[in-house]
Amino acid sequence: EVQLLESGGGLIQPGGSLRLSCAASGFTFRNYAMTWVRQGPGKGLEWVSGIGGSGHTTYYADSVKGRFTISRDNSRSTLYLQMNKLRAADTAVYYCAKDGLPFYDFWSGFTDYWGQGALVVVSS
Amino acid sequence: DIVMTQTPLSSPVTLGQPASISCRSSQSLVHSDGNTYLSWLQQRPGQPPRLLIYKISNRFSGVPNRFSGSGAGTEFTLKISRVEAEDVGVYYCMQATQFPWTFGHGTKVEIK
Repeated sequence: EVQLLESGGGLIQPGGSLRLSCAASGFTFRNYAMTWVRQGPGKGLEWVSGIGGSGHTTYYADSVKGRFTISRDNSRSTLYLQMNKLRAADTAVYYCAKDGLPFYDFWSGFTDYWGQGALVVVSS
Repeated sequence: DIVMTQTPLSSPVTLGQPASISCRSSQSLVHSDGNTYLSWLQQRPGQPPRLLIYKISNRFSGVPNRFSGSGAGTEFTLKISRVEAEDVGVYYCMQATQFPWTFGHGTKVEIK
């Protein structure tokens, strides 16, 4: 059974840093690209970042580029999102999601499993 | 960025009746590999999103066959043939043809 468990969320002051983790199980983690998507309070879904299976290929939304870093540890089956220079606008539930097919460093064009999410609140 | 526009924003439906949601993209979602990476996601209250349909019309494992997707190019539709109580939630279309991936604003399906 595929499981994705996010952790590391919490309350942080503007300008601060936080690292989210997503522990994956139930599939061969290294074979799949992974994605972070966030959802602000009462808002819709916003794609944040994606990473290929090897970790060498990454993409970012303009809203987080230069502040967030996506990475992965395939030996630990864990995805990360390092968030620096946090702003109030970054307040959201952050979901990790698994790519639909084992295309390694390529994307299948859909995400089939999502975690329960980690809440990040940026406020003074 | 590709803009995804969903209509309607809200869809009150009688149990057992059909529902239809439209999604329009600001440019063609046909990828250079010939595939069209348009998905539909369901988000029930208090839950994470769940994949329903991928590549326009492919139902994901475990998704009831009352859900169907259709369309091409820039116009796409999700249909629920007979709405059940468990279908209440917000539905999103998502394009993954081009980075950044983008979502529609969501359509809330509720029971009349």
